[in-house]
Amino acid sequence: KAGVTQTPRYLIKTRGQQVTLSCSPISGHRSVSWYQQTPGQGLQFLFEYFSETQRNKGNFPGRFSGRQFSNSRSEMNVSTLELGDSALYLCASSLSGTGLSGNTIYFGEGSWLTVV
Amino acid sequence: EDKVVQSPLSLVVHEGDTVTLNCSYEVTNFRSLLWYKQEKKAPTFLFMLTSSGIEKKSGRLSSILDKKELFSILNITATQTGDSAIYLCAVGRGTYKYIFGTGTRLKVLA
Repeated sequence: KAGVTQTPRYLIKTRGQQVTLSCSPISGHRSVSWYQQTPGQGLQFLFEYFSETQRNKGNFPGRFSGRQFSNSRSEMNVSTLELGDSALYLCASSLSGTGLSGNTIYFGEGSWLTVV
Repeated sequence: EDKVVQSPLSLVVHEGDTVTLNCSYEVTNFRSLLWYKQEKKAPTFLFMLTSSGIEKKSGRLSSILDKKELFSILNITATQTGDSAIYLCAVGRGTYKYIFGTGTRLKVLA
């Protein structure tokens, strides 16, 4: 069974540009969530999607957005990039995202974003 | 405000030592507590705990949850250099969101 797949794995962008990251969840998983990981802040929750609907959103500015497609694949977009957006962006999938027993979240390898 | 606090922030031990990592939480509508190991890549799942007092075990690793005192511990016995990693604790709420601690950085010396 394939794991969570994220693309691209590494990218460098310039301030002011935008970026789109992609995530394919484990087959059968319908919940996809996104996290930003930085050395100082740890993993910070960005948003969660289930059946193409955003069910929860973290405390990030509106420059961070996401969406989910009917096949459960998800994308996140960051517009007007800032230096502080440099981070590892992790996608995680689970069956339903409810936190209940059996709904473990599994992470992809992440997308390393560097903003220069 | 919901929070998950891990301690210690970092520790250095020698191979063969036993370590105990702590995770305390204050979260409304608690559903589950998860432990992950992160090396230089994505976090890998270790345990999911939902019931108090029931130890989960996998090889040299074990974990237990205390829902009354709101904490969990992760024990690693007979540590090896391959155990060097950041150990993350996350708490699942009922709002489709997991709250992570900042992690404990473990370094095991040969």
